Amino acid sequence: DAGVIQSPRHEVTEMGQEVTLRCKPISGHDYLFWYRQTMMRGLELLIYFNNNVPIDDSGMPEDRFSAKMPNASFSTLKIQPSEPRDSAVYFCASSLRSAGTAGNQPQHFGDGTRLSIL
Amino acid sequence: GNSVTQMEGPVTLSEEAFLTINCTYTATGYPSLFWYVQYPGEGLQLLLKATKADDKGSNKGFEATYRKETTSFHLEKGSVQVSDSAVYFCALKDSNYQLIWGAGTKLIIKP
Repeated sequence: DAGVIQSPRHEVTEMGQEVTLRCKPISGHDYLFWYRQTMMRGLELLIYFNNNVPIDDSGMPEDRFSAKMPNASFSTLKIQPSEPRDSAVYFCASSLRSAGTAGNQPQHFGDGTRLSIL
Repeated sequence: GNSVTQMEGPVTLSEEAFLTINCTYTATGYPSLFWYVQYPGEGLQLLLKATKADDKGSNKGFEATYRKETTSFHLEKGSVQVSDSAVYFCALKDSNYQLIWGAGTKLIIKP
């Protein structure tokens, strides 16, 4: 089965440019999460969606960051304008909500996008 | 609020040594608990999980037991290999279906 697919795997761009990261979740999963990972701050949840609707975006660092999920099979995370401090690895993850006992379904991660802003 | 605390790394061991990575949590109710592993250059992968008190999760020789009385979920392996070198994350899932993550523990196994 295909896992979570992220693109691009690597992105290097100059500050001020717009960056768009893409994610295709596992088919049938109804939760989608965007994370950022850095050495200094570890793994941070930026935003998550349920059934394509943003539920909690309190982790989005600034208005320069935006995320959309136009349909169940695609999501984007956009940074405009980008800054060097945005350099990090960005992960997308998806999961199923479990019926009955809550919370025992794991999140499945993509391989991440390594973003470098010069 | 909910939180997860892991032992700081890096943890450096020789091949075939016994491994313990400590994880304790603070949560209301009965959260599910997880260990994820991240190999270099890859995303996080679920290693094992436990959904209720006294459950033992196991996978690839790793084990962790959900201890409600000590609010712990320590990861153990009897004999580590060089290929186990990675970063290990402990996490709990709260009632909002979000994962609350520990800071991660880097494990280095020397041949």
